[in-house]
Amino acid sequence: EVQLVESGGGLVQPGGSLRLSCAASGFTFSSYEMNWVRQAPGKGLEWVSYISSSGSTIYYADSVKGRFTISRDNAKNSLYLQMNSLRAEDTAVYYCARDSFSITMVRGILDYWGQGTLVTVSS
Amino acid sequence: AIRMTQSPSSFSASTGDRVTITCRASQGISSYLAWYQQKPGKAPKLLIYAASTLQSGVPSRFSGSGSGTDFTLTISCLQSEDFATYYCQQYYSYPPWTFGQGTKVEIK
Repeated sequence: EVQLVESGGGLVQPGGSLRLSCAASGFTFSSYEMNWVRQAPGKGLEWVSYISSSGSTIYYADSVKGRFTISRDNAKNSLYLQMNSLRAEDTAVYYCARDSFSITMVRGILDYWGQGTLVTVSS
Repeated sequence: AIRMTQSPSSFSASTGDRVTITCRASQGISSYLAWYQQKPGKAPKLLIYAASTLQSGVPSRFSGSGSGTDFTLTISCLQSEDFATYYCQQYYSYPPWTFGQGTKVEIK
């Protein structure tokens, strides 16, 4: 069974930093591309960042570029999101989501999602 | 970035109803469209990709259609467990991948 479990969320002051983790199990993590997607309270879904299976290709949304860093450790079956210079508008539930590219051969279909971790940026 | 617009933003329906949600892309995206269902406090769940391909395990009362700029998600006979928010997402052009604003289906 595919499982994605996020952790690391919490309350942080504006300008602060936080590192999110996503532990993957039930599939060959090193073969799959991964994403972070966020959802502000009461709002819709916003794609945040993408990383290829090897980590060699990375994309960011303009709203987080230069502040967030996505990474992965295939030996530990883990995905990470380092978030710096946090702003109030970064307050959201952050989901890690698996890209189905290895199955569909098309990038961007998110077939499994974690339960999310809440990040609150407030003084 | 490609803008995705869903309509309506919310509506009420009864169990057994046939319901249709529309998604429009700001430019042509061929059939590179997915639909997700999200229940309160839960993660989104993939329902449909390639505009009309049902994800494994999704009930056949869900169907999708469309190509180019206009797409629809249809639930043929609404069940109690289908009351949720539905999002469309384009994966034709990236980054960024973009979602619609969501359509909330509520109980009448």
